[in-house]
Amino acid sequence: AQSVSQHNHHVILSEAASLELGCNYSYGGTVNLFWYVQYPGQHLQLLLKYFSGDPLVKGIKGFEAEFIKSKFSFNLRKPSVQWSDTAEYFCAVNPDSNYQLIWGAGTKLIIKP
Amino acid sequence: ETGVTQSPTHLIKTRGQQVTLRCSSQSGHNTVSWYQQALGQGPQFIFQYYREEENGRGNFPPRFSGLQFPNYSSELNVNALELDDSALYLCASSTSQGKAYEQYFGPGTRLTVT
Repeated sequence: AQSVSQHNHHVILSEAASLELGCNYSYGGTVNLFWYVQYPGQHLQLLLKYFSGDPLVKGIKGFEAEFIKSKFSFNLRKPSVQWSDTAEYFCAVNPDSNYQLIWGAGTKLIIKP
Repeated sequence: ETGVTQSPTHLIKTRGQQVTLRCSSQSGHNTVSWYQQALGQGPQFIFQYYREEENGRGNFPPRFSGLQFPNYSSELNVNALELDDSALYLCASSTSQGKAYEQYFGPGTRLTVT
């Protein structure tokens, strides 16, 4: 069955630290990839997406992600986090542009001021 | 531009009852997807509606059903509620254009079954 794994359920960092959140999926075909973020008390928002082309994609708020097809990975990165990045981050995969998104369990990120 | 809205915000039901959750899609969007998000987990796809017809379904039993109306708003109905149905129910709207799409989410309805 298709699945998405996010390696860390909880991450705690200090401000200005670098961030990398892992995401791996199990599907051998064409995929569209997404990272969503949910800030405290708010609804899910799209952070960035990959459809095709340059495997390094840039999103909002200084986030970027790299698609490595050979590793079935789509890791999220940010060089220097801020307290306002405290949120839950979800990786989602859309296999073969079909109708559904398959989601990871999420990573709760806490940034200490 | 109006975003995705859902009602009610919170709901408490008793096991065996039926519930209806509502969703209004974002302006210009004709596709609505429903997800169930249990505590501590990512969303699980329930089904999607496009032009008033079910366009795809996840691994949920038939007691989960839905409707889409001509204005693209949607309802999720759950019959014979079970304790495990307690979750946040998310609605997301999107356009059907293009091979890939972005989904815009509403705030969710928190359902508690006792």
